[in-house]
Amino acid sequence: EVQLLESGGGLVQPGGSLRLSCAASGFTFRSYAMSWVRQATGKGLEWVSGISAGGGSTYYADSVKGRFTISRDNSKNTLYLQMNSLRADDTAVYYCAKDFSSAETTSEVDYWGRGTLVTVSS
Amino acid sequence: IQMTQSPSSLSASVGDRVTITCRASQSISTYLNWYQQKPGKAPKFLIYAASSLQSGVPSRFSGSGSGTDFTLTISSLQPEDFATYYCQQSYSSPVLTFGGGTKVEIK
Repeated sequence: EVQLLESGGGLVQPGGSLRLSCAASGFTFRSYAMSWVRQATGKGLEWVSGISAGGGSTYYADSVKGRFTISRDNSKNTLYLQMNSLRADDTAVYYCAKDFSSAETTSEVDYWGRGTLVTVSS
Repeated sequence: IQMTQSPSSLSASVGDRVTITCRASQSISTYLNWYQQKPGKAPKFLIYAASSLQSGVPSRFSGSGSGTDFTLTISSLQPEDFATYYCQQSYSSPVLTFGGGTKVEIK
């Protein structure tokens, strides 16, 4: 059974940093592209960042480019999102997401984690 | 690429046929996926490539369309189908965009 378990969310002040982790199990983690998708309370889904299976290619939404860094450790089956210079509009539930079939980029998400809440507030 | 869903919400009864529309700001061929999300839960993958049903998804769900106009149809609405539905384009992968969502409520 595929499982994605996010951690690392919490309350942080504007300008602060946070590192999210996603522990994956139940599939060959090193074979799939992964992404982070976020959802502000009562709002829709927003793709944030993606990474290829090997970790050599990374992609970002314009809203987080230069502030967030995605990475993965295939030896630990874990995906990360380092978030710096956080702003109030980064407040959201952050979901870890597995691509349906691709090793290079995320096109369809077939499995989602339960999400971790990030709140940016003073 | 902007994705626009309509309506933003609808009320329907069990057994009704429900259709949700998703329009892309430019042609995306059939690079269109659909998800269902219930309150407090992660989204669930329903349909990929505009019309292919994900494994395990009931056959009352179907998708159609190509280019800029797409539809998700629930042929006979069931109690467990009350949720919010999102379309998502993958034409510009790796940059993905979602529609604003359509909330299906009980009439």
